[in-house]
Amino acid sequence: DAGITQSPRHKVTETGTPVTLRCHQTENHRYMYWYRQDPGHGLRLIHYSYGVKDTDKGEVSDGYSVSRSKTEDFLLTLESATSSQTSVYFCAISEPGTAANYGYTFGSGTRLTVV
Amino acid sequence: AQSVSQHNHHVILSEAASLELGCNYSYGGTVNLFWYVQYPGQHLQLLLKYFSGDPLVKGIKGFEAEFIKSKFSFNLRKPSVQWSDTAEYFCAVNNAGNMLTFGGGTRLMVKP
Repeated sequence: DAGITQSPRHKVTETGTPVTLRCHQTENHRYMYWYRQDPGHGLRLIHYSYGVKDTDKGEVSDGYSVSRSKTEDFLLTLESATSSQTSVYFCAISEPGTAANYGYTFGSGTRLTVV
Repeated sequence: AQSVSQHNHHVILSEAASLELGCNYSYGGTVNLFWYVQYPGQHLQLLLKYFSGDPLVKGIKGFEAEFIKSKFSFNLRKPSVQWSDTAEYFCAVNNAGNMLTFGGGTRLMVKP
């Protein structure tokens, strides 16, 4: 989508291996979010960032870590992938004070399969 | 904590049928409400939003939603669905700061 790029788009990995997903934005938005989407659960927040080096946990953060060393990049790492982390991962961005009126802008997603 | 319920997980309709998807939220204060749509294989896109004013909100592609504060509801409607409306629909609520809470989603299939 315009302004947000997620990579890779698809990945298959083995249980126990580390995996890093990347979200890159060109909108210079301060807030970035990682969600996972699973049937019956909708979107659940994993981690979010409210600025460079400022991150916090969401409701399903166990097994995940994040880093944000630059405004434009927000990385999601699965330290040791498990089958329960097979999901579609979405990145989203927003500006302070705008989420209430405008919501988020979402990336195209990364489909991760852990075998 | 805010929670959002979408009671219909799967809906199957024929073309030209009317649509209503339910959304209820738990927080009783000031809220901003959103409906997102996700077409097969695509990312979420904003369909419509409410943050003040007329509780009947009109969005893109003929969709509308009505905010009923007394019922904590923000149901999505469309008078006549098309095959191209086949998608998953998510309700979301913002009540503070920059966080949105999403419902579990409703998968709509429209049969031609």
